Amino acid sequence: DAGITQSPRHKVTETGTPVTLRCHQTENHRYMYWYRQDPGHGLRLIHYSYGVKDTDKGEVSDGYSVSRSKTEDFLLTLESATSSQTSVYFCAISDRRDQPQHFGDGTRLSIL
Amino acid sequence: GDSVTQMEGPVTLSEEAFLTINCTYTATGYPSLFWYVQYPGEGLQLLLKATKADDKGSNKGFEATYRKETTSFHLEKGSVQVSDSAVYFCADGPERGGNKLTFGTGTQLKVEL
Repeated sequence: DAGITQSPRHKVTETGTPVTLRCHQTENHRYMYWYRQDPGHGLRLIHYSYGVKDTDKGEVSDGYSVSRSKTEDFLLTLESATSSQTSVYFCAISDRRDQPQHFGDGTRLSIL
Repeated sequence: GDSVTQMEGPVTLSEEAFLTINCTYTATGYPSLFWYVQYPGEGLQLLLKATKADDKGSNKGFEATYRKETTSFHLEKGSVQVSDSAVYFCADGPERGGNKLTFGTGTQLKVEL
């Protein structure tokens, strides 16, 4: 299995609080991605990174920000969580653009 | 943007039955095509892929052929097992080496004895 660790694995928090999810990889892959998975929508890309300090928006980026200060870590932040952001969040990595992505085990986030 | 459409589930089959899960895409050109599988409580795992027209991806008894003429990438397996119960996702990546995947909504497969 690709060395991808997501933390925390589960989190429950309240509306309006800030939340940060972490993705840590030991593969030294250049590309990292954050997705959310919701019933009826499959996986949707939130943000991705193509190198340290190089990030770009995906299709559902509103309300989310990301940072990548080191190759191995990609952080996803919800500045002020809302109930619509309750979801399962997956991190993925890939070595090259033409290589498949490898996924972490996910973080289940509930916002009450 | 492009979209990926796959048949809705859940699909329930008896062990050793034949499986087909349909997938079509709208991207123009020649995107890479993928099937991922998700077992309960886990992340997605790459099952198979194809990168050009008429390519056949295969793995663990599953197969899918890249059909440019019908913009399809249907997943098949000749004899399913209980252990194949999972959610299956079709996805495409943009051509020219881009790597932003577009996923279908997933198809849940349940295989019973």
